[in-house]
Amino acid sequence: DVKVTQSSRYLVKRTGEKVFLECVQDMDHENMFWYRQDPGLGLRLIYFSYDVKMKEKGDIPEGYSVSREKKERFSLILESASTNQTSMYLCASSFSGDNYNEQFFGPGTRLTVL
Amino acid sequence: AQSVTQLDSQVPVFEEAPVELRCNYSSSVSVYLFWYVQYPNQGLQLLLKYLSGSTLVKGINGFEAEFNKSQTSFHLRKPSVHISDTAEYFCAVSDPNDYKLSFGAGTTVTVRA
Repeated sequence: DVKVTQSSRYLVKRTGEKVFLECVQDMDHENMFWYRQDPGLGLRLIYFSYDVKMKEKGDIPEGYSVSREKKERFSLILESASTNQTSMYLCASSFSGDNYNEQFFGPGTRLTVL
Repeated sequence: AQSVTQLDSQVPVFEEAPVELRCNYSSSVSVYLFWYVQYPNQGLQLLLKYLSGSTLVKGINGFEAEFNKSQTSFHLRKPSVHISDTAEYFCAVSDPNDYKLSFGAGTTVTVRA
């Protein structure tokens, strides 16, 4: 069964802290994505990666960075957390060989920054 | 860039009644279209997708959607809903040459007995 896992379901951090969100997929997918989900705004793409060590900015990359050292793992980093980064964060992956771009999602991490 | 508009943010519906969720997209060129569902406290899972071919697409859990190129729409329907269909539904679009998806704002469906 297809599996995307995220390191935490719930996380509470303080303003200014450095935050790491981890995502692991076991499907040997080339592409991985980080989204944030906010009420009324749907999912917005933060960063994505189409190969190890490769990354591209999405629609809202400000305040975030990413790391992909291994094919199965994609990390989202908040260098200095701020209250406006309180949100649900969703990781997804997809296969490059597909011709239909289906993405598989993890369960999400609900981050609260105090 | 593609954009998606989901015309209803909230849809309350009674059990066993039909439901339609509306989705319009911006592009006039070839697109791939998707509907995802998010049950409470879970990630998204794929309901159905349109890539090419028949404009009526059937998905899981009795859902179907119709692709209408002239109206740039991809509305989702179910003839008879269950309490368990209470969830948030997202329409998404992609360019066939791009790995990225653009999502709508979501429609929350609440099914009442």
